[in-house]
Amino acid sequence: GEDVEQSLFLSVREGDSSVINCTYTDSSSTYLYWYKQEPGAGLQLLTYIFSNMDMKQDQRLTVLLNKKDKHLSLRIADTQTGDSAIYFCAESFMFSGGYNKLIFGAGTRLAVHP
Amino acid sequence: EPEVTQTPSHQVTQMGQEVILRCVPISNHLYFYWYRQILGQKVEFLVSFYNNEISEKSEIFDDQFSVERPDGSNFTLKIRSTKLEDSAMYFCASRGPGLAGGPTDTQYFGPGTRLTVL
Repeated sequence: GEDVEQSLFLSVREGDSSVINCTYTDSSSTYLYWYKQEPGAGLQLLTYIFSNMDMKQDQRLTVLLNKKDKHLSLRIADTQTGDSAIYFCAESFMFSGGYNKLIFGAGTRLAVHP
Repeated sequence: EPEVTQTPSHQVTQMGQEVILRCVPISNHLYFYWYRQILGQKVEFLVSFYNNEISEKSEIFDDQFSVERPDGSNFTLKIRSTKLEDSAMYFCASRGPGLAGGPTDTQYFGPGTRLTVL
């Protein structure tokens, strides 16, 4: 069945780049997403990439997609303490009736230290 | 910026009681969802809702669960007889014309309701 896997923890120094990796199984996914969850808060949409793209840049965020390997990554440049959160990778799974659901990874906890 | 809202933020209930979790989706959205996240586990899809009916549901969404859009703005999740294992964070999401140029596929989430069943 569909599955999304992520590493669970990443620790970086403030000002360095962070790279969070994700693998997914459903090759028919049209969109892949990154959501951010701060402590006690909901799921905030960070960015997304369409499956026919290899890369998308949005200010400090760079998303790379390797569709052949079903590998997605999120790079955060110049990581700040405010970036400390859990980052969820998600793929959009389409049901046969045209509706969709999101399948989430377990989330990567990013800790930024001085 | 339009956002999805949910109430209450935290609900504590006794096992066997009924609970109703409420959501106000983004106003021009057409598709509505409930997900849940049991502590320490992945966010899981429960149900999707379109045109006043359930479009898809997961195995988790059994007869104890129901959804309703009672008045054109609210979207509710009812659990008829809560069990200990229903304790989780419940997220509502909506989808429609994308915000800020996003695709129509994109789901926007509310802040969640933490349900604690004692």
